[in-house]
Amino acid sequence: DVKVTQSSRYLVKRTGEKVFLECVQDMDHENMFWYRQDPGLGLRLIYFSYDVKMKEKGDIPEGYSVSREKKERFSLILESASTNQTSMYLCASSPLGPSSPLHFGNGTRLTVT
Amino acid sequence: DQQVKQNSPSLSVQEGRISILNCDYTNSMFDYFLWYKKYPAEGPTFLISISSIKDKNEDGRFTVFLNKSAKHLSLHIVPSQPGDSAVYFCAASESIGTYKYIFGTGTRLKVLA
Repeated sequence: DVKVTQSSRYLVKRTGEKVFLECVQDMDHENMFWYRQDPGLGLRLIYFSYDVKMKEKGDIPEGYSVSREKKERFSLILESASTNQTSMYLCASSPLGPSSPLHFGNGTRLTVT
Repeated sequence: DQQVKQNSPSLSVQEGRISILNCDYTNSMFDYFLWYKKYPAEGPTFLISISSIKDKNEDGRFTVFLNKSAKHLSLHIVPSQPGDSAVYFCAASESIGTYKYIFGTGTRLKVLA
């Protein structure tokens, strides 16, 4: 079974802090994704990566950056956290090739005060 | 611009009856569609998928129907069970390109015992 592990279930940070959200997958998947889930807005793609050191912007990349130094690890960075970044953050992975479902972690609920 | 829409935010169904969840899309390049189920405080789990070469895919109690001309898909759950109570997301992707998945806003299903 694919396991996608997000390092924190809950985080509380202050406005202006730099925040790191970590995600690790154990199935040697090439693709990794970061989404955020907000009520009434569904899941929105922030960034994704299809290979080590490769990244592409999703639909809402502003205020975020990512890092993928190793295949199994994909980090989301909030350079200067703001209250509108309070959200549920979901990491996912999938193998290379079309028509492959995403496998999600359990999410990190981030509150920025 | 919401490329994938779930126009019903919520749905209540009696146990044992059929649940029908609907999803519409606007991008004619989408050719792979998925349904995910999400419980509170957990990541979405993959339920069932369909490619655009088919109009129906069945897996146990779950059937997905695709109407390409109407750009509409639906998920049927028969019979519905209380454990099916969750938020359901549909998602779509293009098989050519970078395999981005676009999600709808979700429908909260409540199955009443």
